[in-house]
Amino acid sequence: QQKVQQSPESLIVPEGGMASLNCTSSDRNVDYFWWYRQHSGKSPKMLMSIFSNGEKEEGRFTVHLNKASLHTSLHIRDSQPSDSALYLCAASGNNYAQGLTFGLGTRVSVFP
Amino acid sequence: GGIITQTPKFLIGQEGQKLTLKCQQNFNHDTMYWYRQDSGKGLRLIYYSITENDLQKGDLSEGYDASREKKSSFSLTVTSAQKNEMAVFLCASSIEGWGLGGSEQFFGPGTRLTVL
Repeated sequence: QQKVQQSPESLIVPEGGMASLNCTSSDRNVDYFWWYRQHSGKSPKMLMSIFSNGEKEEGRFTVHLNKASLHTSLHIRDSQPSDSALYLCAASGNNYAQGLTFGLGTRVSVFP
Repeated sequence: GGIITQTPKFLIGQEGQKLTLKCQQNFNHDTMYWYRQDSGKGLRLIYYSITENDLQKGDLSEGYDASREKKSSFSLTVTSAQKNEMAVFLCASSIEGWGLGGSEQFFGPGTRLTVL
């Protein structure tokens, strides 16, 4: 079973609309959550990270974290066609350099 | 800033062949990683290395070997390529330290493997 579960698998959003992506870890040792974005044919790049309960906003992107439920969500407002990509949620614990555990991703398609 | 380079960009192998992928980084990062990505899905950790000559197995290490002879380079070997296997292998690096648990990982462009 996947330790990091993402939903939905895919999302179609009209330009200017809101995209909401979810991610939950089943590993209680997780302390850090990351959102990476991967455009088609490219390598993943970190979009946002969140380590504490609450909300963090950067431009059109907002992430929420509930550490008790190990759930994080990413919201993209005013979605643009350039936001079309695979969004990967990743989690890590508080150990030395253990790598990230990635979910399978949510594929977002923004249509004009 | 820095950059991660991976060679080759495309790798075509035969079933049973031993294949080596290379990764170089000039970030001066301590930790390097190899991930496998199938069909545009999530990444699975194969091996990572926290310093020169160190190797740690990830969830997907069976069928692979790795080597970290220098701080700046990390190689991955597919010990026996499986027929019809297709995947992208991504190398990454990061600064790490005790208690940090997580710091941003920077990814290379990937090596796309096809086994005939």
